Amino acid sequence: DQQVKQNSPSLSVQEGRISILNCDYTNSMFDYFLWYKKYPAEGPTFLISISSIKDKNEDGRFTVFLNKSAKHLSLHIVPSQPGDSAVYFCAASVRFYNQGGKLIFGQGTELSVKP
Amino acid sequence: DAGVIQSPRHEVTEMGQEVTLRCKPISGHDYLFWYRQTMMRGLELLIYFNNNVPIDDSGMPEDRFSAKMPNASFSTLKIQPSEPRDSAVYFCASSPPRRPYEQYFGPGTRLTVT
Repeated sequence: DQQVKQNSPSLSVQEGRISILNCDYTNSMFDYFLWYKKYPAEGPTFLISISSIKDKNEDGRFTVFLNKSAKHLSLHIVPSQPGDSAVYFCAASVRFYNQGGKLIFGQGTELSVKP
Repeated sequence: DAGVIQSPRHEVTEMGQEVTLRCKPISGHDYLFWYRQTMMRGLELLIYFNNNVPIDDSGMPEDRFSAKMPNASFSTLKIQPSEPRDSAVYFCASSPPRRPYEQYFGPGTRLTVT
């Protein structure tokens, strides 16, 4: 039972354009969502997060959107750069009631930004 | 500022042998997590500690796996006996007080069991 799904295993985008990575979840108890970026032979790196009380969070070129009714979140990267090429993982958590540390990860989407 | 340190980076062992993976979390962090990444199952949480106490070990696959955190700066994940299906990349992560969801990952240990 996959509670967090990233249905696109890969995405290719031209440098300077927008990259949109999508994530769906099934557990309505999730109240905190995160995106991690992973380069080969390295561990995932925290990128950006959003609480369920918000619908948007922005940090520089990265914006995460949350649509709770659709149980969907997305990560927008504008403008995309070749250094953004990596695997992006969506993760979800139930922050309260002693479960805050338990992140459920999606399968990842490999983003390739072409010069 | 040192990140999460894991050792060894690569481990190749024969089926039936004991394997011990080591992790040093970031100083000041009080949460520590062990994850396993495989092609089939993706990145899955095995166990996590808070203040050296195991909080949730529901992801530990079976009794062959055990994890300890004897102090705030060291943790081990042991597999005994190892099996070929344990081959994976094992990540350790830590997070700061009151922010368990902002996890800082180590570089991982690639385990191959032949």
